[in-house]
Amino acid sequence: QITLKESGPTLVKPTQTLTLTCTFSGFSLSTSGVGVGWIRQPPGKALEWLALIYWDDDKRYSPSLKSRLTITKDTSKNQVVLTMTNMDPVDTATYYCAHESWIVGAGGAFDIWGQGTMVTVSS
Amino acid sequence: DIQMTQSPSTLSASVGDRVTITCRASQSISSWLAWYQQKPGKAPKLLIYKASSLESGVPSRFSGSGSGTEFTLTISSLQPDDFATYYCQQYNSYFRTFGQGTKVEIK
Repeated sequence: QITLKESGPTLVKPTQTLTLTCTFSGFSLSTSGVGVGWIRQPPGKALEWLALIYWDDDKRYSPSLKSRLTITKDTSKNQVVLTMTNMDPVDTATYYCAHESWIVGAGGAFDIWGQGTMVTVSS
Repeated sequence: DIQMTQSPSTLSASVGDRVTITCRASQSISSWLAWYQQKPGKAPKLLIYKASSLESGVPSRFSGSGSGTEFTLTISSLQPDDFATYYCQQYNSYFRTFGQGTKVEIK
């Protein structure tokens, strides 16, 4: 059974750097075809894809946020970390991590999601 | 970037209605399209992948069709549990893109 859970601060100040951790179980990020993505959703708004990291360390970023994002993985800890610099109130959102696999199951879609973590940016 | 446009933004329907939501891509994405259902305060749930493949455990009243740039999600007979917001998402390109969502409300 695959599970993912996001963790990190609930409140950050403007200009600070946000660090979020996705801790997962039920799969390995060293398995070919597997990836973990980050998606966010401001209150009352649509989903926005942020970043993706694959088993082979291929990293992809939203073009509009690329300069502010870094995604890394720690295979031994079953964790993926997303950092976002220079936080602004418009970055207030629920942040989700999600599993993607091109080998089994849903062939590249985000098939399993974490519960999400709400981050508020305010001074 | 590939842009995804959903229509309508809001849909009012009754239990038992047949409901169709459309998603258009700004360029061809072959069949690399997913549909998700999201309820308030919950994470999105995958319904359909590769445009028309039903995710395990999802009721058969949900179906997806299309390829290239135009796709549809159909709910054959709307049930009370189906009132939610639905998102399409492309995964053809190097990046991922979601549509803006379609809220299905009770009429």
